[in-house]
Formats: sequence, C-alpha cells, structure tokens
Amino acid sequence: DVKVTQSSRYLVKRTGEKVFLECVQDMDHENMFWYRQDPGLGLRLIYFSYDVKMKEKGDIPEGYSVSREKKERFSLILESASTNQTSMYLCASIPSGLVVNYGYTFGSGTRLTVV
Amino acid sequence: GQNIDQPTEMTATEGAIVQINCTYQTSGFNGLFWYQQHAGEAPTFLSYNVLDGLEEKGRFSSFLSRSKGYSYLLLKELQMKDSASYLCAVRDPNNNAGNMLTFGGGTRLMVKP
Repeated sequence: DVKVTQSSRYLVKRTGEKVFLECVQDMDHENMFWYRQDPGLGLRLIYFSYDVKMKEKGDIPEGYSVSREKKERFSLILESASTNQTSMYLCASIPSGLVVNYGYTFGSGTRLTVV
Repeated sequence: GQNIDQPTEMTATEGAIVQINCTYQTSGFNGLFWYQQHAGEAPTFLSYNVLDGLEEKGRFSSFLSRSKGYSYLLLKELQMKDSASYLCAVRDPNNNAGNMLTFGGGTRLMVKP
C-alpha cells in the first residue's frame, strides 16, 4: 500500500534540460517537502508546502522551483539542470497538527543523474 | 539556529549491541524521531520519543533526555541486515511549518560477521 509515490526511481537528464520530479500522496496530508540527499551532507530541504498553492523556500532553493496545484501533488522543477544537481531526491509528507507520532512518510526517492 | 549531531560512521559485530547517539540544539522541541535508511532507499520510521525515558520496540530501543538535548538508538542482537544509515530528526514547533523535521547527517552503521 504505497502512500507517497515519486514518479521515477532513476532519471538521466542532460545539462540545460528542464526536469520535473513528481510526488503524489494519498493520505490527505497538508504538508509536503522536497529534500535532496548527498553523501556526507545528509538531507537538505529544498522547498516545502503547507497548503495548496503555498510554497516556502528551504535551505537550498537555488536552481529549483515547485508547484502545488492540488493537495495530493507536489512537483519539483529543475529549471535548467546542471551536473551539481545530480543527487537523490526525496519527497515527504506529514499532516498538520502536532499529534503525529510517526513523522514523515517518504517516497521511494528519485536518483537523478545530470550528464 | 538548529543543530543536530550524530557520529558519521560506526562498526559493530553481528550479535552485539550498538548505541548510536544524537545530540540536538533547537529553539523548540516537540519530539525526536529515528529513521533507518538502507543504501539507495528512502528512510523508514523506527521510533518516536517526546517524553524523557526509554521506548522499546523489539530489538530497537530509543532513549530521550530533553534536559540534556540527547537521544540514543540502541540496537540489540545485531543482524547483517541492520547495516544501514540511521537518521536522527527533531520536530521544532517554532519552524515555519509546525511539523517540519530537522535531520542530523545520519550515522552509517556497518555490521560485520
């Protein structure tokens, strides 16, 4: 029973391409997040959204944008892919309210390689 | 600011016990989470502590001391499949999104025969 789905597990794109990473959750969560994960650097927050059409920059938003037109879908866009954006991208969601004892639900991740 | 520290790597022997420590400094606190992440896969939830003390769940236990800003994850009877990265994460209600988690860098655990 998959709850957070990322559209691709592996992706190879060329430098300069516009890249879309899709994330869909079926748990009616308000909050959704995009992270990238690189060896030695841990999880770094790119963007997050706490409601439809709302978005907030995380720690490393440069070179990325996001879209949240529907509650269940949060898209990450690489406007012009560069080799330093080669990474594992993780989507996560969590409901609002503080009584949540299981933390994020993560998608399976997308390993993006930019050549 | 927020700071979460955990060791980068640890090695242990199959059948042994290992303790992975996590210290944190955050402006607020509303829970600490431990995740397990196998190479190339997404993190999966292991445990949650919001009050001081020990939470036991099978071979895994997690401890929290809020006054010390300290937690540990204890893995008993280690198995080869426990080789993974273990992520410590803190929920800070003062963050922009009340349920946002801040993650430590992760501890890569290698279990040897």
